[in-house]
Amino acid sequence: SQKIEQNSEALNIQEGKTATLTCNYTNYSPAYLQWYRQDPGRGPVFLLLIRENEKEKRKERLKVTFDTTLKQSLFHITASQPADSATYLCALAKNSGYALNFGKGTSLLVTP
Amino acid sequence: GAVVSQHPSRVICKSGTSVKIECRSLDFQATTMFWYRQFPKQSLMLMATSNEGSKATYEQGVEKDKFLINHASLTLSTLTVTSAHPEDSSFYICSARDAAEASNQPQHFGDGTRLSIL
Repeated sequence: SQKIEQNSEALNIQEGKTATLTCNYTNYSPAYLQWYRQDPGRGPVFLLLIRENEKEKRKERLKVTFDTTLKQSLFHITASQPADSATYLCALAKNSGYALNFGKGTSLLVTP
Repeated sequence: GAVVSQHPSRVICKSGTSVKIECRSLDFQATTMFWYRQFPKQSLMLMATSNEGSKATYEQGVEKDKFLINHASLTLSTLTVTSAHPEDSSFYICSARDAAEASNQPQHFGDGTRLSIL
């Protein structure tokens, strides 16, 4: 069956450090992978999409890598800030159509 | 940017009540909308795909008679939880695809509806 696994443990880091979150998947052949941010009681907010032929993508302090051989994506936040504290979700399209499957998310806490 | 409005944001009602949740795309047309359910500390689970002008496609294990979906226009999909019971209490989130965007573009999510059945 298809699985998306993210760090189950919460990630606590100090302000200014780089946060690295992991997403591993099985039984997918994704054309692209997406990362979303979710704050408590809110819907997910899109952050980045990376295509299968892209090794790395950046947006301001965010960087995503995509290794289709390892079936893994890494999500980095550099110079982290307390405002980056949230749950980060990895998402892949289901095999048919455009609906998304999500990982459980990794909770990130950035402390001053 | 594309905005999806979900209403209401919170509902508390008695067991046996039917509850309707609306999902609107405010500045784009959405031929396809999706309904997800999220339990505490769990992932978003896809319930159904809502297609404008046709019947919704439900995921395995989701009762179509329990969760009625209507997508009557290009900007509105509704989810009705019929005869809701405490086990239906959850966070319901909708998302929409912009019909004008390519298939590999991200979805736009509403802010969710917290449903609590007493």
